[in-house]
Amino acid sequence: QSVLTQPPSVSGAPRQRVTVSCSGSSSNIGNNDVKWYQQRPGQAPSLVLYKDSILPAGVSDRFSGSKFGTSASLAISGLQFEDEADYYCETWDDSLKAWVFGGGTRVTVL
Amino acid sequence: QITLKESGPTLVKPNQTLTLTCSFSGFSLDTSGVAVGWIRQPPGKALEWLALIYWDDERRYSPSLKGRVTITKDTSKNQVVLTVTNMDPVDTASYFCAYSAKIFASWSWRKWGQGTLVSVPS
Repeated sequence: QSVLTQPPSVSGAPRQRVTVSCSGSSSNIGNNDVKWYQQRPGQAPSLVLYKDSILPAGVSDRFSGSKFGTSASLAISGLQFEDEADYYCETWDDSLKAWVFGGGTRVTVL
Repeated sequence: QITLKESGPTLVKPNQTLTLTCSFSGFSLDTSGVAVGWIRQPPGKALEWLALIYWDDERRYSPSLKGRVTITKDTSKNQVVLTVTNMDPVDTASYFCAYSAKIFASWSWRKWGQGTLVSVPS
């Protein structure tokens, strides 16, 4: 059972916009910044957003992030087949004194 | 260009100790604001953080591993070593090492190794 809760799957048609939610608590998301990672099948994860909403160099601006209270969201606009992957949120948990990941969300392009 | 690569055994017997080495290039682990960590992923499951070592040799460990994990660095060799004692079949996973840096006051796993699958038979 992950400390951060994500939906198991979301899907959308090409060019649509999808969002992935990440729900936590005051000891993690509520007090620390959130990162998002993309993991394509058979590959290592890669960073797509940090500090809630900042894009690393080289990451498409179709990705965006937000945070409100103890929840965070990743949005992918203009959905493309290359976006099919698992997405994980991550943050620091002050109570556990550990970096914690969400359970992951599989994004499928229909 | 930052690269990391994990090496170690692919098969470990129950109760044995796992030792994995992360060899990296493109940065120095004695540079302020830099760290290397380990994250694992059981087949078909989510990511789980295990350990982290900072440039100043401060170390952090996942409380869920209950003292089974140790992380060390050899700056001269550009390597970080992870040991996990008392291995169990539930420890079967892909083990990733990753580079972390503090940018805009945020630590994040900015570059990952390809991962190495370690199996513990039952």
